[in-house]
Amino acid sequence: KAGVTQTPRYLIKTRGQQVTLSCSPISGHRSVSWYQQTPGQGLQFLFEYFSETQRNKGNFPGRFSGRQFSNSRSEMNVSTLELGDSALYLCASSLILGGAGELFFGEGSRLTVL
Amino acid sequence: QKEVEQNSGPLSVPEGAIASLNCTYSDRGSQSFFWYRQYSGKSPELIMSIYSNGDKEDGRFTAQLNKASQYVSLLIRDSQPSDSATYLCAVRGSSNTGKLIFGQGTTLQVKP
Repeated sequence: KAGVTQTPRYLIKTRGQQVTLSCSPISGHRSVSWYQQTPGQGLQFLFEYFSETQRNKGNFPGRFSGRQFSNSRSEMNVSTLELGDSALYLCASSLILGGAGELFFGEGSRLTVL
Repeated sequence: QKEVEQNSGPLSVPEGAIASLNCTYSDRGSQSFFWYRQYSGKSPELIMSIYSNGDKEDGRFTAQLNKASQYVSLLIRDSQPSDSATYLCAVRGSSNTGKLIFGQGTTLQVKP
């Protein structure tokens, strides 16, 4: 059974650009969550999607957005990149929304903003 | 106050000892609690989940939950060098479909 797949794995952008990251969840999983991980802040929750609807949102500016498609694949977009957006972006999928749902993480997309 | 707090460590223990990792949370209505392990350069993986007060054991791992004190802990018995990693406490908020919030993580070093 394939795990959570994130693309691209590494990318370098410059300030002001925008970026789109992709996440394919484990087959059958309908919930996709996104997290930003930095050494200083740890894992910070961005948003969670279930059945193409955003169910939860973290405390990030509107430059961070996401969506989920009918096949449960998800994308997140960051516009007008800032140096502080450099981070590892982790996607996690779960069979169910909330509750005892175990999150399965992808390997992440490492974004460097110059 | 952070929603989920952990001592960042590093916590250093000798091989064979018991490692004790602690976590406190702010949302008194939280219902689901998880411990994830993250090796350097890897993504987090779930090692324990606990939902009711008391202890839950799985092999060398024991999770402890005290909702009155808003406290979760993870004990690792007979610690091995392969247990050296960052341990992340995660708490789901009082709405059971709420977001899963992670603590900063505690780095554990097990010395041979």
